[in-house]
Amino acid sequence: QKEVEQNSGPLSVPEGAIASLNCTYSDRGSQSFFWYRQYSGKSPELIMFIYSNGDKEDGRFTAQLNKASQYVSLLIRDSQPSDSATYLCAVKFNSGGTSYGKLTFGQGTILTVHP
Amino acid sequence: GAGVSQTPSNKVTEKGKYVELRCDPISGHTALYWYRQSLGQGPEFLIYFQGTGAADDSGLPNDRFFAVRPEGSVSTLKIQRTERGDSAVYLCASSLSGTGGAVYGYTFGSGTRLTVV
Repeated sequence: QKEVEQNSGPLSVPEGAIASLNCTYSDRGSQSFFWYRQYSGKSPELIMFIYSNGDKEDGRFTAQLNKASQYVSLLIRDSQPSDSATYLCAVKFNSGGTSYGKLTFGQGTILTVHP
Repeated sequence: GAGVSQTPSNKVTEKGKYVELRCDPISGHTALYWYRQSLGQGPEFLIYFQGTGAADDSGLPNDRFFAVRPEGSVSTLKIQRTERGDSAVYLCASSLSGTGGAVYGYTFGSGTRLTVV
């Protein structure tokens, strides 16, 4: 069973701090990794994708991937109350050579940024 | 339209009834995905269409669930003899191609909240 694990939280950080969200996955052959943000009552919104080891930055967001440790993280700098949401990690596993975007999601981490 | 459209946004049905959920993907997108999200959980894959054909239906929980995409655009998820455990948000997404979805991800529609009473 291919799995994606996240700490469900809640993670609480003060406004302006760095929020660090973590995700581990079970299949070393995994190919692509995604972070989605989901506000309460809304559908998930794609915010980052990464498929190479190292860091990828987009504005206040940085995704970090370490394939050897099977670990992907999302850093949110200068956290704002509007960043309060559930953050979902999703993985495209290497499934017998399939090339389409079948994603396996973690259960999500609830982030609260307090003023 | 600009995004993936799902209808209805909410559906309440009685146990044992049949329901249809509709997904209208972004124009020109050949790949279409259905997921189901239960409260407090991440989305779970149900089925993937490439064009008109269901290329992977491994996530459908049982034979009460069926999906079609007859013209390679709009897709309908059909649930027979609904059970209370089917209550969830059903999400649809599309991507230009299956490979594109694998590399770049995709955007979900707003979902259909199904409640079986």
